[in-house]
Amino acid sequence: EDQVTQSPEALRLQEGESSSLNCSYTVSGLRGLFWYRQDPGKGPEFLFTLYSAGEEKEKERLKATLTKKESFLHITAPKPEDSATYLCAVQADNYGQNFVFGPGTRLSVLP
Amino acid sequence: DAGVTQSPTHLIKTRGQHVTLRCSPISGHKSVSWYQQVLGQGPQFIFQYYEKEERGRGNFPDRFSARQFPNYSSELNVNALLLGDSALYLCASSWAFEAFFGQGTRLTVV
Repeated sequence: EDQVTQSPEALRLQEGESSSLNCSYTVSGLRGLFWYRQDPGKGPEFLFTLYSAGEEKEKERLKATLTKKESFLHITAPKPEDSATYLCAVQADNYGQNFVFGPGTRLSVLP
Repeated sequence: DAGVTQSPTHLIKTRGQHVTLRCSPISGHKSVSWYQQVLGQGPQFIFQYYEKEERGRGNFPDRFSARQFPNYSSELNVNALLLGDSALYLCASSWAFEAFFGQGTRLTVV
Protein backbone atom coordinates (compact mmCIF):
# COMPACT_ATOMS: atom_id res chain seq x y z
CA GLU A 1 0.00 0.00 0.00
CA ASP A 2 1.29 3.48 -0.90
CA GLN A 3 2.30 5.39 2.19
CA VAL A 4 3.98 8.60 3.28
CA THR A 5 5.27 8.96 6.82
CA GLN A 6 7.09 11.81 8.52
CA SER A 7 9.28 11.94 11.59
CA PRO A 8 9.52 13.26 14.14
CA GLU A 9 5.90 14.18 14.78
CA ALA A 10 7.04 17.30 16.64
CA LEU A 11 10.42 18.95 17.11
CA ARG A 12 11.55 21.70 19.43
CA LEU A 13 14.79 23.51 18.61
CA GLN A 14 16.65 26.40 20.12
CA GLU A 15 17.32 29.26 17.76
CA GLY A 16 20.47 28.40 15.79
CA GLU A 17 20.24 24.66 16.49
CA SER A 18 20.31 22.86 13.13
CA SER A 19 18.33 19.66 12.54
CA SER A 20 16.63 17.51 9.90
CA LEU A 21 13.08 16.37 9.23
CA ASN A 22 12.43 13.03 7.56
CA CYS A 23 9.84 11.95 4.99
CA SER A 24 9.70 8.26 4.06
CA TYR A 25 7.58 7.01 1.20
CA THR A 26 6.54 3.75 -0.40
CA VAL A 27 4.90 4.45 -3.76
CA SER A 28 5.14 2.96 -7.21
CA GLY A 29 6.23 5.26 -10.00
CA LEU A 30 7.21 8.37 -8.06
CA ARG A 31 6.75 11.49 -10.17
CA GLY A 32 7.79 14.02 -7.59
CA LEU A 33 8.20 14.71 -3.89
CA PHE A 34 7.06 18.06 -2.55
CA TRP A 35 7.71 19.99 0.64
CA TYR A 36 5.24 22.52 1.96
CA ARG A 37 5.23 24.77 5.00
CA GLN A 38 1.94 25.37 6.80
CA ASP A 39 1.22 27.98 9.44
CA PRO A 40 -1.73 27.39 11.82
CA GLY A 41 -5.09 27.90 10.11
CA LYS A 42 -3.46 28.70 6.75
CA GLY A 43 -3.03 26.84 3.49
CA PRO A 44 0.24 25.03 2.71
CA GLU A 45 2.97 27.20 1.18
CA PHE A 46 5.06 25.59 -1.54
CA LEU A 47 8.77 25.15 -0.73
CA PHE A 48 10.42 22.56 -3.00
CA THR A 49 9.86 19.91 -5.62
CA LEU A 50 12.31 17.02 -6.02
CA TYR A 51 12.01 14.67 -8.98
CA SER A 52 14.87 12.18 -8.83
CA ALA A 53 17.13 10.49 -6.31
CA GLY A 54 20.23 12.54 -5.58
CA GLU A 55 18.53 15.84 -6.27
CA GLU A 56 18.98 18.69 -3.78
CA LYS A 57 17.36 22.11 -3.53
CA GLU A 58 18.02 25.04 -1.21
CA LYS A 59 16.13 28.08 -0.10
CA GLU A 60 17.49 30.35 2.62
CA ARG A 61 17.97 28.14 5.71
CA LEU A 62 16.24 25.10 4.16
CA LYS A 63 17.75 22.34 2.07
CA ALA A 64 15.79 19.37 0.72
CA THR A 65 17.33 16.12 -0.46
CA LEU A 66 15.85 12.99 -2.03
CA THR A 67 16.82 9.30 -2.07
CA LYS A 68 14.89 6.37 -3.49
CA LYS A 69 13.00 5.85 -0.25
CA GLU A 70 13.08 9.09 1.68
CA SER A 71 13.59 12.82 1.68
CA PHE A 72 15.18 15.06 4.27
CA LEU A 73 14.49 18.70 4.98
CA HIS A 74 17.57 20.16 6.64
CA ILE A 75 17.14 23.36 8.62
CA THR A 76 20.34 25.27 9.27
CA ALA A 77 20.52 27.81 12.11
CA PRO A 78 16.73 28.11 12.40
CA LYS A 79 14.98 31.24 13.58
CA PRO A 80 11.68 31.53 15.49
CA GLU A 81 9.92 32.51 12.25
CA ASP A 82 10.71 29.03 10.89
CA SER A 83 8.21 27.60 13.38
CA ALA A 84 5.46 25.87 11.39
CA THR A 85 4.24 22.45 10.31
CA TYR A 86 6.27 21.00 7.44
CA LEU A 87 4.34 18.72 5.12
CA CYS A 88 5.76 16.22 2.68
CA ALA A 89 3.67 15.03 -0.29
CA VAL A 90 4.24 12.68 -3.21
CA GLN A 91 2.85 12.44 -6.70
CA ALA A 92 2.91 9.03 -8.32
CA ASP A 93 1.79 7.39 -11.53
CA ASN A 94 -1.35 6.05 -9.88
CA TYR A 95 -2.54 9.44 -8.68
CA GLY A 96 -2.48 11.67 -11.74
CA GLN A 97 -1.70 15.17 -10.53
CA ASN A 98 -2.89 14.50 -7.01
CA PHE A 99 -0.87 14.39 -3.84
CA VAL A 100 -0.61 11.94 -1.01
CA PHE A 101 0.46 13.88 2.05
CA GLY A 102 2.28 12.78 5.15
CA PRO A 103 0.98 13.85 8.56
CA GLY A 104 3.53 16.62 8.94
CA THR A 105 6.22 17.59 11.44
CA ARG A 106 5.41 20.44 13.84
CA LEU A 107 8.53 22.52 14.29
CA SER A 108 8.94 24.99 17.14
CA VAL A 109 12.02 27.21 17.26
CA LEU A 110 12.53 28.88 20.59
CA PRO A 111 14.38 32.20 20.91
CA ASP B 1 -0.38 38.30 -9.10
CA ALA B 2 -3.40 36.95 -7.29
CA GLY B 3 -2.90 33.56 -5.76
CA VAL B 4 -5.56 30.95 -5.19
CA THR B 5 -8.59 32.54 -3.54
CA GLN B 6 -11.17 30.67 -1.52
CA SER B 7 -14.45 31.80 -0.02
CA PRO B 8 -15.73 31.98 2.56
CA THR B 9 -12.80 31.84 4.99
CA HIS B 10 -14.88 30.54 7.87
CA LEU B 11 -18.27 28.87 8.01
CA ILE B 12 -20.44 27.37 10.74
CA LYS B 13 -23.19 24.93 9.73
CA THR B 14 -25.61 22.65 11.51
CA ARG B 15 -25.67 18.88 11.06
CA GLY B 16 -27.78 17.87 8.06
CA GLN B 17 -27.31 21.16 6.22
CA HIS B 18 -25.66 21.67 2.86
CA VAL B 19 -22.56 23.80 2.15
CA THR B 20 -20.91 25.24 -0.97
CA LEU B 21 -17.27 26.27 -0.96
CA ARG B 22 -15.71 28.29 -3.76
CA CYS B 23 -12.27 28.53 -5.30
CA SER B 24 -10.65 30.73 -7.94
CA PRO B 25 -7.37 29.36 -9.32
CA ILE B 26 -4.26 31.26 -10.30
CA SER B 27 -4.71 32.92 -13.67
CA GLY B 28 -3.72 30.51 -16.43
CA HIS B 29 -4.09 27.38 -14.28
CA LYS B 30 -6.67 24.98 -15.66
CA SER B 31 -6.56 22.33 -12.93
CA VAL B 32 -8.20 22.63 -9.54
CA SER B 33 -8.08 20.09 -6.74
CA TRP B 34 -9.85 19.94 -3.39
CA TYR B 35 -8.42 18.58 -0.17
CA GLN B 36 -9.80 18.08 3.33
CA GLN B 37 -7.50 18.64 6.28
CA VAL B 38 -8.61 17.50 9.70
CA LEU B 39 -6.80 19.08 12.63
CA GLY B 40 -3.41 17.49 13.22
CA GLN B 41 -3.35 15.54 9.95
CA GLY B 42 -2.08 16.08 6.44
CA PRO B 43 -4.52 17.09 3.69
CA GLN B 44 -6.54 14.31 2.04
CA PHE B 45 -7.44 14.40 -1.65
CA ILE B 46 -11.13 14.80 -2.49
CA PHE B 47 -11.43 15.79 -6.19
CA GLN B 48 -9.47 17.02 -9.14
CA TYR B 49 -10.91 18.88 -12.13
CA TYR B 50 -9.17 19.78 -15.36
CA GLU B 51 -10.84 21.69 -18.17
CA LYS B 52 -14.21 21.21 -16.44
CA GLU B 53 -13.88 17.43 -16.34
CA GLU B 54 -13.40 15.31 -13.24
CA ARG B 55 -9.95 13.73 -13.41
CA GLY B 56 -9.75 12.14 -10.01
CA ARG B 57 -11.80 11.35 -6.93
CA GLY B 58 -10.59 10.42 -3.47
CA ASN B 59 -12.17 8.09 -0.97
CA PHE B 60 -15.03 10.33 0.11
CA PRO B 61 -18.79 9.57 0.22
CA ASP B 62 -21.23 10.67 -2.46
CA ARG B 63 -22.32 13.53 -0.21
CA PHE B 64 -19.27 15.31 -1.59
CA SER B 65 -19.48 16.68 -5.12
CA ALA B 66 -17.71 19.36 -7.14
CA ARG B 67 -17.72 21.10 -10.45
CA GLN B 68 -15.51 23.42 -12.47
CA PHE B 69 -16.77 26.36 -14.47
CA PRO B 70 -15.64 27.70 -17.91
CA ASN B 71 -13.47 30.32 -16.16
CA TYR B 72 -11.77 27.43 -14.26
CA SER B 73 -13.18 28.42 -10.88
CA SER B 74 -14.63 25.57 -8.87
CA GLU B 75 -17.20 24.72 -6.23
CA LEU B 76 -17.16 21.96 -3.65
CA ASN B 77 -20.56 20.90 -2.35
CA VAL B 78 -21.20 18.81 0.72
CA ASN B 79 -24.70 17.55 1.53
CA ALA B 80 -26.15 16.21 4.78
CA LEU B 81 -23.28 17.57 6.86
CA LEU B 82 -21.91 15.44 9.68
CA LEU B 83 -19.87 16.56 12.68
CA GLY B 84 -16.92 14.70 11.16
CA ASP B 85 -16.98 17.00 8.14
CA SER B 86 -15.54 19.77 10.32
CA ALA B 87 -12.16 20.54 8.77
CA LEU B 88 -10.07 22.98 6.76
CA TYR B 89 -11.00 22.61 3.09
CA LEU B 90 -8.16 23.48 0.75
CA CYS B 91 -8.23 24.27 -2.92
CA ALA B 92 -5.10 23.77 -5.01
CA SER B 93 -4.40 25.29 -8.42
CA SER B 94 -2.02 23.33 -10.60
CA TRP B 95 0.33 23.93 -13.46
CA ALA B 96 2.20 20.85 -14.72
CA PHE B 97 3.17 18.89 -11.60
CA GLU B 98 3.23 21.74 -9.09
CA ALA B 99 0.30 22.84 -6.96
CA PHE B 100 -0.33 26.05 -5.06
CA PHE B 101 -2.85 26.16 -2.27
CA GLY B 102 -5.34 28.76 -1.14
CA GLN B 103 -5.77 29.80 2.46
CA GLY B 104 -8.62 27.36 2.94
CA THR B 105 -12.16 27.46 4.26
CA ARG B 106 -12.56 26.48 7.90
CA LEU B 107 -15.86 24.57 8.15
CA THR B 108 -17.31 23.88 11.58
CA VAL B 109 -20.35 21.61 11.83
CA VAL B 110 -22.31 21.87 15.08
